[in-house]
Amino acid sequence: RKEVEQDPGPFNVPEGATVAFNCTYSNSASQSFFWYRQDCRKEPKLLMSVYSSGNEDGRFTAQLNRASQYISLLIRDSKLSDSATYLCVVIFRGGNKLTFGTGTQLKVEL
Amino acid sequence: GAGVSQTPSNKVTEKGKYVELRCDPISGHTALYWYRQSLGQGPEFLIYFQGTGAADDSGLPNDRFFAVRPEGSVSTLKIQRTERGDSAMYLCASSASPGNKGGYTFGSGTRLTVV
Repeated sequence: RKEVEQDPGPFNVPEGATVAFNCTYSNSASQSFFWYRQDCRKEPKLLMSVYSSGNEDGRFTAQLNRASQYISLLIRDSKLSDSATYLCVVIFRGGNKLTFGTGTQLKVEL
Repeated sequence: GAGVSQTPSNKVTEKGKYVELRCDPISGHTALYWYRQSLGQGPEFLIYFQGTGAADDSGLPNDRFFAVRPEGSVSTLKIQRTERGDSAMYLCASSASPGNKGGYTFGSGTRLTVV
């Protein structure tokens, strides 16, 4: 079993839709959580950190459920420019390397 | 520099050849990471440097892979006797301090193709 698991998609949604991505992690001793965005043939870039209380950045909302070892990302009013791969990332306790999920591909269409 | 620089951006090599991939991190960043990303997969950890030393090399797939960072700045990933399965995007990231939340900056990668 992979340490960080995501549904690879693709998720094809119309512009303006709300879409949610889920991620599970296997190691309960995990300390930090992030969502990264990766455009085709580009490097990953930090989208947002994920906090236990949940956090929001504009149209993006991230949630963390430590008991279920589950992370989510919600995108509201999706734009064409949101089309990308969204990577769930975990740092395990005592370490500092980023452990990535497979990524979920999102395609926003007219 | 302003960002993490990786060279070359693309490298095509023949099976069995030796290649070197270079990473120039953000100035002052003590932590440097190498990742490998195959098509349709997330980046997979290879090795982490803190300063000049390799603090964690548990992700190196076999002894054909080696990396150095002799002066604590630029790092070189070296692959001997390349195989077609080594074809991937090789990404480098740097951070001001280990575990720095969200403070990892990636370079644009080197796309390696072994033919």
